[in-house]
Amino acid sequence: TQLLEQSPQFLSIQEGENLTVYCNSSSVFSSLQWYRQEPGEGPVLLVTVVTGGEVKKLKRLTFQFGDARKDSSLHITAAQPGDTGLYLCAGARTGGSYIPTFGRGTSLIVHP
Amino acid sequence: SQTIHQWPATLVQPVGSPLSLECTVEGTSNPNLYWYRQAAGRGLQLLFYSVGIGQISSEVPQNLSASRPQDRQFILSSKKLLLSDSGFYLCAWSVLAKSQPQHFGDGTRLSIL
Repeated sequence: TQLLEQSPQFLSIQEGENLTVYCNSSSVFSSLQWYRQEPGEGPVLLVTVVTGGEVKKLKRLTFQFGDARKDSSLHITAAQPGDTGLYLCAGARTGGSYIPTFGRGTSLIVHP
Repeated sequence: SQTIHQWPATLVQPVGSPLSLECTVEGTSNPNLYWYRQAAGRGLQLLFYSVGIGQISSEVPQNLSASRPQDRQFILSSKKLLLSDSGFYLCAWSVLAKSQPQHFGDGTRLSIL
């Protein structure tokens, strides 16, 4: 059983469209991270959210942490081809851990 | 600033040969260090992590081993590679504290023939 469920697994859209990626769990997390990974490279940290209900914006990307700290979403406005990549969420269980839990990722392709 | 170096970038090895992948971190002390394997375009499988020199925890029983001979050096090894060891291997570090985000190297693409 995957502790962090990401949806959708795959997303193929046209440039200019909006999209939302979800990261859900039945467990509570003390913090949650979003990463973007391009082919042949390592994941790059986009954001960390730590407070229930928190919303963070990074240019056209909006990240939200659920009130109960069990889920998170990533919304991209007016997607661009440069947004193409694998988006991964990762969470740290409450009580703290040296080992994050990763979702399986959402593979996004933005066509020009 | 902190940097992480991982090499080689690509490696082609025959079945049964040994393996040594190296990862070093600069600009920080006492980091947590991690080795992951990633299937094509999918999530990460944690293989090993270390919270200090000589301290290695294994998450998945397998044909691989890890060592941390120095504070900022993490090595992934195998005595005899299997076909199933093919994959994309990622090294990562985080601050030595719980619930911290990770910072990844650029990965090694390992192909076993």
